[in-house]
Amino acid sequence: GQNIDQPTEMTATEGAIVQINCTYQTSGFNGLFWYQQHAGEAPTFLSYNVLDGLEEKGRFSSFLSRSKGYSYLLLKELQMKDSASYLCAVRDPNDYKLSFGAGTTVTVRA
Amino acid sequence: DAGVIQSPRHEVTEMGQEVTLRCKPISGHDYLFWYRQTMMRGLELLIYFNNNVPIDDSGMPEDRFSAKMPNASFSTLKIQPSEPRDSAVYFCASSLRQGGSTQYFGPGTRLTVL
Repeated sequence: GQNIDQPTEMTATEGAIVQINCTYQTSGFNGLFWYQQHAGEAPTFLSYNVLDGLEEKGRFSSFLSRSKGYSYLLLKELQMKDSASYLCAVRDPNDYKLSFGAGTTVTVRA
Repeated sequence: DAGVIQSPRHEVTEMGQEVTLRCKPISGHDYLFWYRQTMMRGLELLIYFNNNVPIDDSGMPEDRFSAKMPNASFSTLKIQPSEPRDSAVYFCASSLRQGGSTQYFGPGTRLTVL
C-alpha cells in the first residue's frame, strides 16, 4: 500500500514563495504527480516526476528524491489565484493507479 | 479538444433511490478511473478500466456500487440503493498508457443523498 503525508494547511503572502512537502512510504514507486484543486473544481495536473531532481514549469517547480521518499512543490511569485488545495499522488508500479495524499490547502494573503 | 465530460453536475436524491453517474473520457484515452472525494476521506479510487475492461474494483465500497464501460467513449457508475453516506463528489478521469500517463479529471458530479 501507499502512505502519503503532506501538511494540511499553509499560508503565505502574495509575491512570496511557498514549498509544499510530500513524503511517501510505498511498496513500490512509478512516478509522483502534483495536482492543483480549486474549491468546488476538479483536480488539474501540475507536474510529474519519475527521476530524481527538479522539474521547472514557470512559477511552479517540483523536486523528487526517490531514496528519501520525498518530494516538494515550490510555488514562486505567489498570486491570489494560487489559493487552492495541492495534492501529491504516487503511482503504483504494477498498474496505473494513483494514491493521493490528503492535500495541502494554500491560502495566499495580500 | 473536449476534456472529460461528466453528467449530471449535481444530483440530489432521496435515500433508497437509484443514482446513475455518467462519464465520457477524452477521445483516444484507454484508461478510465472513477474517484470519490469527501472531506473525511479525501480522494479515493473506486474502480478503473483499461480498454473498457475493469481492472481493479477493490475501492468500490460495497455491492450497492457498480460500474460499466460498454464502449471506449462512455462509462457509468451506479449506486442502488443510495444512502446518505454516499454523498460526495464523484470524479471521472482518463489517461493514455504512453508517457507519464497523466490522469485528466472531469468536472465531477456532486451527489447529495437525503
